[in-house]
Amino acid sequence: GEDVEQSLFLSVREGDSSVINCTYTDSSSTYLYWYKQEPGAGLQLLTYIFSNMDMKQDQRLTVLLNKKDKHLSLRIADTQTGDSAIYFCAEMPNYGGATNKLIFGTGTLLAVQP
Amino acid sequence: EAQVTQNPRYLITVTGKKLTVTCSQNMNHEYMSWYRQDPGLGLRQIYYSMNVEVTDKGDVPEGYKVSRKEKRNFPLILESPSPNQTSLYFCASKGQAYGYTFGSGTRLTVV
Repeated sequence: GEDVEQSLFLSVREGDSSVINCTYTDSSSTYLYWYKQEPGAGLQLLTYIFSNMDMKQDQRLTVLLNKKDKHLSLRIADTQTGDSAIYFCAEMPNYGGATNKLIFGTGTLLAVQP
Repeated sequence: EAQVTQNPRYLITVTGKKLTVTCSQNMNHEYMSWYRQDPGLGLRQIYYSMNVEVTDKGDVPEGYKVSRKEKRNFPLILESPSPNQTSLYFCASKGQAYGYTFGSGTRLTVV
C-alpha cells in the first residue's frame, strides 16, 4: 500500500539543527523528495534523493535515506526563522508505467523560536 | 520565468454552482496533475494527465472533471460543488527532470 508518515510538529531554537523524519512504504520508489510550504504559498522543491543513494548534502540541508527501514530524514543545519514552514516528504513509486504520481506525507510544521 | 499559473487564488461559491479553476504551465511539460490539500491529510491526487487528451483518475476524483486539450492547460472543473470540496487546490507539472513544479494554490470555499 501507499503511505508516507511524518510527525506533525517540530519546534527548535534559532541556530540549532532541525531533523524532520519520514517513513514510507513503497520500496519501488525511485526518488524521494522534500518540499517546503511557506504560509500562503505553493510547494517548493527543496531537495530529492535517488533511491541508490544513502546521503545527499546541499548547503545547510542533509538528506539521509535508509532503504532497509524505509526511513528518510531531512536535517537543516543552523536553522533560521525563515525556515519556519511545513515540510512534506514525498515518494514517487515506480509503477512500471511511470505514472509520475507523487505520494505525500501529512507534512511537519517546523516552528523556529528566536 | 518557468512557472505554473493557477487562477483564481481565492474563490467562494455556493453549492451547486459550476466552477472552473484554470492551470497553465510554460515549460512544455507533458505531465500535469491536480492535488487537494486538507489539514491532517497532506496532499491527495485528484486527476493527472500524461499528455494531451490523456487523463486519468487519481485517488480522490469524485466530483471533479479535467480536460487536456492543449499541452499547457489543465483546467479543473467542479460541475456541482459541495461543501466537502472546500479545500486548497494545487496544480503541478513535471518534465523530464526529477521534481514537480507547483502553482501557488487556489483556496476554494463552498458554502
